[in-house]
Amino acid sequence: EVQLVQSGAEVKKPGESLKISCKGSGYSFTNYWIGWVRQMPGKGLEWMGIIYPLNSDTRYSPSFQGQVSISADRSINTAYLQWNTLKATDTAMYYCASAKAGNYYWDYWGQGTLLTVSS
Amino acid sequence: QSALTQPASVSGSPGQSITISCTGTSSDVGAYNYVSWYQQHPGKAPKLLIYDVSNRPSGVSNRFSGSKSGNTASLTISGLLAEDEADYYCSSYTKNAPPYVFGTGTKVTVL
Repeated sequence: EVQLVQSGAEVKKPGESLKISCKGSGYSFTNYWIGWVRQMPGKGLEWMGIIYPLNSDTRYSPSFQGQVSISADRSINTAYLQWNTLKATDTAMYYCASAKAGNYYWDYWGQGTLLTVSS
Repeated sequence: QSALTQPASVSGSPGQSITISCTGTSSDVGAYNYVSWYQQHPGKAPKLLIYDVSNRPSGVSNRFSGSKSGNTASLTISGLLAEDEADYYCSSYTKNAPPYVFGTGTKVTVL
């Protein structure tokens, strides 16, 4: 069974750093893209960026370029989304999703990680 | 990178059919047959409903169907059920980074 399991909810203060994770199982992790999606409270879905764990090819949405870092450790089938300096506006639910290389749709999704940034 | 345009809300009575539009540009929806649709119930992760414009993953009801004409894709839900009440998002591959874009989302209400 294919699963993406994300790390738990986080409560952080502005200015702090954070790295959340997304662990894949039940499939060949290196043959799938992993994407990160933001959903702000009461708002729609936004693509943040994608990574191909086999070679770490990473692409960012212009809105998120320089604001976050996406990485992957294929030895433990895990992708990451990282912030160096959190802001209150980063408060949102973050989802990871996977797409098989050569496909253009995201068929498996993590359960989401809720991030709250507040002083 | 602008989001694809969807109606904010669509409603219908049980048993009726509704259609949700998703309008993009010649750089995304119009350029590729890589439009997918996702259903999201409150507090849940999105779920893939349609891929490559009109294909259904295994396990998705055949009441959901997709199509495309030019820069506009559409999702039709036939035989509307109470459980179809959810938010629906289209997504398209695009020539631009990252290279995907979502639609603005449509809230479906079953009257």
